Amino acid sequence: DAGITQSPRHKVTETGTPVTLRCHQTENHRYMYWYRQDPGHGLRLIHYSYGVKDTDKGEVSDGYSVSRSKTEDFLLTLESATSSQTSVYFCAISESLGTNQPQHFGDGTRLSIL
Amino acid sequence: GDSVTQMEGPVTLSEEAFLTINCTYTATGYPSLFWYVQYPGEGLQLLLKATKADDKGSNKGFEATYRKETTSFHLEKGSVQVSDSAVYFCALRVGGGTSYGKLTFGQGTILTVHP
Repeated sequence: DAGITQSPRHKVTETGTPVTLRCHQTENHRYMYWYRQDPGHGLRLIHYSYGVKDTDKGEVSDGYSVSRSKTEDFLLTLESATSSQTSVYFCAISESLGTNQPQHFGDGTRLSIL
Repeated sequence: GDSVTQMEGPVTLSEEAFLTINCTYTATGYPSLFWYVQYPGEGLQLLLKATKADDKGSNKGFEATYRKETTSFHLEKGSVQVSDSAVYFCALRVGGGTSYGKLTFGQGTILTVHP
């Protein structure tokens, strides 16, 4: 199994508070991704990183920011959490952009915004 | 844009039944196709993949064939087990700079297998 650790695994917080989720990998892969999983939508890309300090937006990036100061860590921040951001968040890593390269996923963080 | 459509679920089967989960796609480029499986409380695991037309991916008794003419990648298993109960996701990945290597997912199909 790919060495991907997400923390925390579960979190409950209140509307308007900042929240940071962490993804840590031990595979030294260049590419990292944050997805959210919602019923009826599958997984949707929030942000991605193609190297240290190199990040860009995905399709559902509003209200989220990311940072990557080291190859192994990719942080997702909800600057002011809203109830619509209640979801399960998954981090994924990939060695290359080759289309035949699968992404490997962490176990997810279940986030509830009350 | 790219999209993946999976058959509506949930799917409920008896043990040893035949399974088909339909998946069709639209893509701007020439995608690779994947099936991922998610067991309760866990992340997504790659089940199988196919990278070009007519390729057959297989793993753990599951199979799927990349059909370019029908833009489909249906998942099949001849005899399901209770341990196959999970959520199954079809996904595609297209090359090129603007896709940034992201996966485009279907909505997922919940499979429940009863003894």
